[in-house]
Amino acid sequence: GENVEQHPSTLSVQEGDSAVIKCTYSDSASNYFPWYKQELGKRPQLIIDIRSNVGEKKDQRIAVTLNKTAKHFSLHITETQPEDSAVYFCAVPMNNNAGNMLTFGGGTRLMVKP
Amino acid sequence: EAGVAQSPRYKIIEKRQSVAFWCNPISGHATLYWYQQILGQGPKLLIQFQNNGVVDDSQLPKDRFSAERLKGVDSTLKIQPAKLEDSAVYLCASSANRGQGETQYFGPGTRLLVL
Repeated sequence: GENVEQHPSTLSVQEGDSAVIKCTYSDSASNYFPWYKQELGKRPQLIIDIRSNVGEKKDQRIAVTLNKTAKHFSLHITETQPEDSAVYFCAVPMNNNAGNMLTFGGGTRLMVKP
Repeated sequence: EAGVAQSPRYKIIEKRQSVAFWCNPISGHATLYWYQQILGQGPKLLIQFQNNGVVDDSQLPKDRFSAERLKGVDSTLKIQPAKLEDSAVYLCASSANRGQGETQYFGPGTRLLVL
């Protein structure tokens, strides 16, 4: 099955600084890479995703970069704000024919200090 | 547009008892997923449905877990008998279809505590 590793497991930054979270995967056939944000006690919510035909995608303060050769992708958050504090999960489609079954990383707890 | 609904939100049971969770996906979504999220970990997929059929249940512990989506809309997940290690949040998600890249929308989850 797909092996997904996410680093770091915790990240503390000062408000206004940037945060970077990295995810590595094992299956080279994957071509869709989403990032989810989960606030304490709430549901995971998709914040950005990227497909393998592009190397970078930006949405305001959030960006995702993809290196298919090295099999890793990263979430970048610029000008962090206290409301960015949450757990972030990367996910990768499993290596099967079902198409959309996701394997999630272990999560990164981001703390933004005001 | 209404989101994914789940009930109950919380459940406390004793080990060896049975429990059932209910999920109503976003209207029109053909694909439905059940995930188990243990505290401090990422969601782990248990089963995927496409309409009323099972696409993949390879990660479902079938000796105690069962799930159905008889009419292709609502779904129930059952645990019988429950073990202490089943304590987790059970998340239901849906997507418009099963193709890779279809956004999955999650429900609020059911938090299960097994004593």
